[in-house]
Amino acid sequence: GENVEQHPSTLSVQEGDSAVIKCTYSDSASNYFPWYKQELGKGPQLIIDIRSNVGEKKDQRIAVTLNKTAKHFSLHITETQPEDSAVYFCAAFGGSSYKLIFGSGTRLLVRP
Amino acid sequence: GAGVSQSPSNKVTEKGKDVELRCDPISGHTALYWYRQRLGQGLEFLIYFQGNSAPDKSGLPSDRFSAERTGESVSTLTIQRTQQEDSAVYLCASSLRLAGGSEQFFGPGTRLTVL
Repeated sequence: GENVEQHPSTLSVQEGDSAVIKCTYSDSASNYFPWYKQELGKGPQLIIDIRSNVGEKKDQRIAVTLNKTAKHFSLHITETQPEDSAVYFCAAFGGSSYKLIFGSGTRLLVRP
Repeated sequence: GAGVSQSPSNKVTEKGKDVELRCDPISGHTALYWYRQRLGQGLEFLIYFQGNSAPDKSGLPSDRFSAERTGESVSTLTIQRTQQEDSAVYLCASSLRLAGGSEQFFGPGTRLTVL
């Protein structure tokens, strides 16, 4: 089945700097890759997603890139702000099942 | 309309007791998912429902876990004879459809503590 690995597990950046989180997946048939942000005590919330027919997608300070050949995708947050501090999860969907398989999460801390 | 709701928000139970967790999906969403999130860890798939199709139960960790959904409405996750390792946050999500990758909207979760 699908396996998603996510790095780093923790990331601390200075306010205004960029943050990059990377994920790899194993099932080459996966075709949908969402990123979720989870704040303390809340359920995950979708922040951006990308499909396998697109290489890059941007939404204001957030961008996601996808390399299908290498089977990895990354989240880029520019001009980080303290409110970006949260746990971020990548996920992969499709291929041999209808399950959304999540990475293990990255705890992002943005220092004021 | 309202998002996904879950109840109770917190549940403390004694080892060996049964518990029932409830999820109310977004109206019109045909797909519903249950996940388990242990402290500081990622989301572990448990089960999904899609309309009236047979559910995918492949993620349920043991036969003590079961879930039901009536049509495209409420779902309940039942854990029988709870064990301390069942302590976790149980998250429910719903989406418009299953196939093709549709955004999953998550509820706030139920925090289960087994003493």
